[in-house]
Amino acid sequence: RKEVEQDPGPFNVPEGATVAFNCTYSNSASQSFFWYRQDCRKEPKLLMSVYSSGNEDGRFTAQLNRASQYISLLIRDSKLSDSATYLCVVNGDSSYKLIFGSGTRLLVRP
Amino acid sequence: DAGVIQSPRHEVTEMGQEVTLRCKPISGHDYLFWYRQTMMQGLELLVYFNNKAVMDDSGMPKDRFSAKMPNASFSTLKIQPSEPRDSAVYFCASTSGAFNYGYTFGSGTRLTVV
Repeated sequence: RKEVEQDPGPFNVPEGATVAFNCTYSNSASQSFFWYRQDCRKEPKLLMSVYSSGNEDGRFTAQLNRASQYISLLIRDSKLSDSATYLCVVNGDSSYKLIFGSGTRLLVRP
Repeated sequence: DAGVIQSPRHEVTEMGQEVTLRCKPISGHDYLFWYRQTMMQGLELLVYFNNKAVMDDSGMPKDRFSAKMPNASFSTLKIQPSEPRDSAVYFCASTSGAFNYGYTFGSGTRLTVV
């Protein structure tokens, strides 16, 4: 079983739609959780950290469910510029060692 | 701040040649990571350093890969001899102890071994 699993997609949605991605992780001792965004042929960039109580940043909402070991990302009012691959990230056996999921590809169409 | 700086941006080399990838972390960041990304495997951690010391290199093929960090502002990843299966994008990332900010990645080195 992979340490971090994501649906690869692609999710193809119209502008303005709401879309949600889920991710599961295997290490119950993980303490740090993130969503990164990666554009084609670019480096991954931090989108947001994920906190136990859930957190929101504009149109983006992240949730953590420790009991079920999954993380979610909700994007409201999708923009064309949201088209990218979204990477779920969890720390491994060390706080500073991050394990990346394979990513979920999002395509937002006009 | 200039961010994490990697060089070269692209490298094409012949099988069997030595390849050296370079990274300059963000000033003040004491953790440095080398990742490799392929379509098949996604992002794989090869090795990471804390205060110039190797903390974990379990993901690095030791027979042909070596990583060094001779000072706080420079790291190298060397492949010798290179093989076609090493073709990938190699990313360097750094972070400080304020870990809730995650990592900052460099732009990557796209390596092609022919």
